[in-house]
Amino acid sequence: RKEVEQDPGPFNVPEGATVAFNCTYSNSASQSFFWYRQDCRKEPKLLMSVYSSGNEDGRFTAQLNRASQYISLLIRDSKLSDSATYLCVVALMTTDSWGKFQFGAGTQVVVTP
Amino acid sequence: DAMVIQNPRYQVTQFGKPVTLSCSQTLNHNVMYWYQQKSSQAPKLLFHYYDKDFNNEADTPDNFQSRRPNTSFCFLDIRSPGLGDAAMYLCATSRDPALAGYNEQFFGPGTRLTVL
Repeated sequence: RKEVEQDPGPFNVPEGATVAFNCTYSNSASQSFFWYRQDCRKEPKLLMSVYSSGNEDGRFTAQLNRASQYISLLIRDSKLSDSATYLCVVALMTTDSWGKFQFGAGTQVVVTP
Repeated sequence: DAMVIQNPRYQVTQFGKPVTLSCSQTLNHNVMYWYQQKSSQAPKLLFHYYDKDFNNEADTPDNFQSRRPNTSFCFLDIRSPGLGDAAMYLCATSRDPALAGYNEQFFGPGTRLTVL
C-alpha cells in the first residue's frame, strides 16, 4: 500500500464549476500536510498548507481529517489556469524520519471552457 | 529572487557517461533534498541532508551519489547513467524540521536529464 494515495484523475471540470478531491495517508505520525500544484514539466509549487481546523485561500479550501487520515482540496469557481496536477504532501517529523516528505502521485485537474 | 537554483536546466548525456547536477539555495535552509521524478509519477526521494548529515534512501541505487560542500550547494552525481535514469531531477530545501510551524519544501526548477 502506498503511503500517500491520490485519485490520479483526470477530473474534467467545466470552467466556473467546483471540484474536490481527497488524499489518504497511512502514517499516523504525519504532522504537516500540504497541497502543491505542478504544471506539466515544471517543479511543484506550494499551493497551501493544511491546518488542523481547515483553511481557505481564495477559491481554495483545504481540510484535514486526522481520525480518517485524509486531507481534501476543494476548488471553487474553477479557472482555466487551475488546470494542473495537484500533489498531496505529508511531512513526517518523528526522530527517525525528521524532515521527510511523502508525496502522492498527484491528481490531474483539467478545466474546460 | 530565485531561491533554489538548479543547473543545468537540461542535460543530455550518453549511456554510461557521468553527469553532475548542481543545486544552490539562498534561503539558508538546513535541509536539502534530491528527488527523481518520472512522467506521471510522484517525486521519489533519493537523498537528503540535514546540514552535513547525509541520509540515503534504502532503494537509491549506488549509481547515484551526492555531495554537500556547504550550506548553499548540493550536487547529484550519476556515475554511469542508464536509459532508466532519464527523468526530471528536483532539488528542494526546507527549514529545520525541529522548528515549530509548517516547514514546507521549496523546489528548484529541476534538471531534465536525457540519456542517449
